[in-house]
Amino acid sequence: NAGVTQTPKFQVLKTGQSMTLQCAQDMNHNSMYWYRQDPGMGLRLIYYSASEGTTDKGEVPNGYNVSRLNKREFSLRLESAAPSQTSVYFCASSELQFDNYGYTFGSGTRLTVV
Amino acid sequence: GENVEQHPSTLSVQEGDSAVIKCTYSDSASNYFPWYKQELGKGPQLIIDIRSNVGEKKDQRIAVTLNKTAKHFSLHITETQPEDSAVYFCAASRRSAKLVFGAGTILRVKS
Repeated sequence: NAGVTQTPKFQVLKTGQSMTLQCAQDMNHNSMYWYRQDPGMGLRLIYYSASEGTTDKGEVPNGYNVSRLNKREFSLRLESAAPSQTSVYFCASSELQFDNYGYTFGSGTRLTVV
Repeated sequence: GENVEQHPSTLSVQEGDSAVIKCTYSDSASNYFPWYKQELGKGPQLIIDIRSNVGEKKDQRIAVTLNKTAKHFSLHITETQPEDSAVYFCAASRRSAKLVFGAGTILRVKS
């Protein structure tokens, strides 16, 4: 039972390069989320997908795009990376259809933009 | 919308002592309150949660209490051990809504 799988685990980009962070869950959850975590700033929501076919902006969406490819997969794309996007990125999933349940997080992608 | 405040931001305790982390929330309609533990280099992991129809919940050395009137909830860790050292996050949400997280507490257990 893998839970939430994120790839890659580490990445170094040059300013202006693009990349896609991949996330997949095997728990049949409806909802998926992308967070970034910076030192001393906790977890900030970038984008989320309440269900397959829908996506919505979170607290810090600028500079990012997302795709809910299917129920299992939710990708995050940086079109033109900037040093301010250096962070640790976490994907999470949950079942929100009928009630609230805890999120299951992936192990994170550590991104450095130089 | 919901706002969650978490205190303290850092907490140091001696091994074997108890640790208490407190969170307050603003939305009286919130009914779900989970706690997460994040170890170094890993993603946050759910350790305990409580719903608004319950005042307290225990799981071995950890417990969570909820005061709906005052709109605050707390995590209690008894007999702390070095492996309890981590960052702890509280969160709150109303039914079928996104979680809103607190800013986190760094817990250090000194042996």
